[in-house]
Amino acid sequence: DTGVSQDPRHKITKRGQNVTFRCDPISEHNRLYWYRQTLGQGPEFLTYFQNEAQLEKSRLLSDRFSAERPKGSFSTLEIQRTEQGDSAMYLCASSRGRGAANEKLFFGSGTQLSVL
Amino acid sequence: QQQVKQSPQSLIVQKGGIPIINCAYENTAFDYFPWYQQFPGKGPALLIAIRPDVSEKKEGRFTISFNKSAKQFSLHIMDSQPGDSATYFCAAKILTGGGNKLTFGTGTQLKVEL
Repeated sequence: DTGVSQDPRHKITKRGQNVTFRCDPISEHNRLYWYRQTLGQGPEFLTYFQNEAQLEKSRLLSDRFSAERPKGSFSTLEIQRTEQGDSAMYLCASSRGRGAANEKLFFGSGTQLSVL
Repeated sequence: QQQVKQSPQSLIVQKGGIPIINCAYENTAFDYFPWYQQFPGKGPALLIAIRPDVSEKKEGRFTISFNKSAKQFSLHIMDSQPGDSATYFCAAKILTGGGNKLTFGTGTQLKVEL
């Protein structure tokens, strides 16, 4: 396994701009998750995909946020009209998706977003 | 609403000491309790996990103690080493019908000194 890959590692943007992050899960992992982590806090669940289907979205995911996983492989998370409160680490995780619900999640190193 | 409360926020121990990190949960539907370790600049990595049908689980130097009636669980790190210095998160999940959402605690920053 090459691990979960996220790009970019860091993103600095001005308030009001749109940003897009990419996540490449571990090969053949069917489930993909997005979490957000702010300084001094634990990760907060944003959304979850089983293959290309987005099966769950948190109430934290406002209409400015959209996530896609068009071919069931990589995923993108877009934030439109960024606000300073969007500044956080955006973490992607994946799991095999074929076993029990307590299967292991593998996290990427995250994309650190700073909105100025 | 914080469903998983974690303490302490930070902890310093000497090498060889046994740091203990505590978590308490509110939702009795939670039935899976993992602990994650996070180093600076990295994503969290699963350390050990427990189901509520057992009171203790050990994996190497890491032990989870679970008290279902008190809705509390804790992580013990035996013979702690400087390499264990990291942030530790407890988490909870509803395995059946709860989707795939992990609810994390706020984290404990552990420093193990020589």
